[in-house]
This record gives sequence, structure tokens and C-alpha cells, in this order.
Amino acid sequence: DSGVTQTPKHLITATGQRVTLRCSPRSGDLSVYWYQQSLDQGLQFLIQYYNGEERAKGNILERFSAQQFPDLHSELNLSSLELGDSALYFCASSNHPGQGEAFFGQGTRLTVV
Amino acid sequence: QQQVKQSPQSLIVQKGGISIINCAYENTAFDYFPWYQQFPGKGPALLIAIRPDVSEKKEGRFTISFNKSAKQFSLHIMDSQPGDSATYFCAASAMEGAQKLVFGQGTRLTINP
Repeated sequence: DSGVTQTPKHLITATGQRVTLRCSPRSGDLSVYWYQQSLDQGLQFLIQYYNGEERAKGNILERFSAQQFPDLHSELNLSSLELGDSALYFCASSNHPGQGEAFFGQGTRLTVV
Repeated sequence: QQQVKQSPQSLIVQKGGISIINCAYENTAFDYFPWYQQFPGKGPALLIAIRPDVSEKKEGRFTISFNKSAKQFSLHIMDSQPGDSATYFCAASAMEGAQKLVFGQGTRLTINP
């Protein structure tokens, strides 16, 4: 168990809908990273937050947004969902810049139908 | 420059053999190189990591070899076991800045009994 908790584990929704994925980092970790994993794309970095502030952006679509709350949990919001958004979404956390180690949650499997 | 190239895509090794997975990178700012192991339905788990001030790091049956001049690093799994069958991802990050991990495409390793 990595100590990173993601909910829900599975999500099935229709095209055009909006969903929210939740991540609770390991105790004490200030950084949260979101990754998307699809069969043909590997693990793609979406966005990083550090202590509530956006730190880096990757290949995140404009329909997607995220935030990190004062208690350090993070949410990834996906809107106007398309079939191609079906993927595994992982959250990872690390304790502070300079450490490098990132620990991943179990992921949320999103299926858009 | 942000890419990490991983090979092979898939690998079949006999039980007791040595599994070798290779990665190459371009960005000379990368200074942290972890390997992750992922089982089906699970999140990636940190296996072993190396920083460029050493050329080799060993933990149990797992060894990372690092060649800074060639910008290459590899994972060796000695005495491979069926329980090692999983997908392995190499990654790289720069300790300055966001420290986001850039992942290779993954190698599906199968150890035949």
C-alpha cells in the first residue's frame, strides 16, 4: 500500500458528462501529480500541485482542470467527456521538492460510453 | 527533449534468467531515474532509483546500470521469477523545477516457469 488513496476506483459515464476524481496524498506529502494512462499512450503527465499551488502543466486538455485543497487532497475534474477520455487516471504524491520519489495510488478507471 | 525511450516493448524470459530493459533520454537536466513496476489493475510501484553520481545501484535481485555519457540506463533483474511478470516503466525527472516524472512507454515482462 503506497499510502495514496484514490476514489472512485471505477467510473462509467456517458459522453458529454462531467466527473470528479479524488486523491488523498500520503501523510505529509505536499506535491500531488496527476497522470493519465491509456493503452497506446503510456503514462502521460497531466498536472502537478505543490502545497495548493499549480506547479507544472503537462498534456492536460482544456476540458480538464484540477485543484489542491488546504488539507492537501486534490481533485481532477473532467468535463464534456469524450470516448477517447476513457483511461486509467493516477494520482501520485511526493514529500517535497528535491526528493524525487513519487508514490502512486491505485488509480481510477474511467470508462466513457 | 522531454522523451524517455524504452525498449523492448515486451520481453519473455525463462525462470532463473536475467531480464534486461533499456532506457535512453535526451534531456541533460534529468538527474533522477526511477524504475516502476506495475501489475494489472494496480498503480505503478517504485522499484529502485538512481541518481547520476553513481553508475550502478543494486537492491536484491534488481540492479540499475547508468551511463551518463551515453544518456542511457537499464534495469537488470537477476534470477527472474514468475512473480516478476509485470509491466516495467523507466522514468526520469529533474530535481530542479517541478520534478515531474517523464515515463518510458513500458515493457511487458513475462517470466516463463
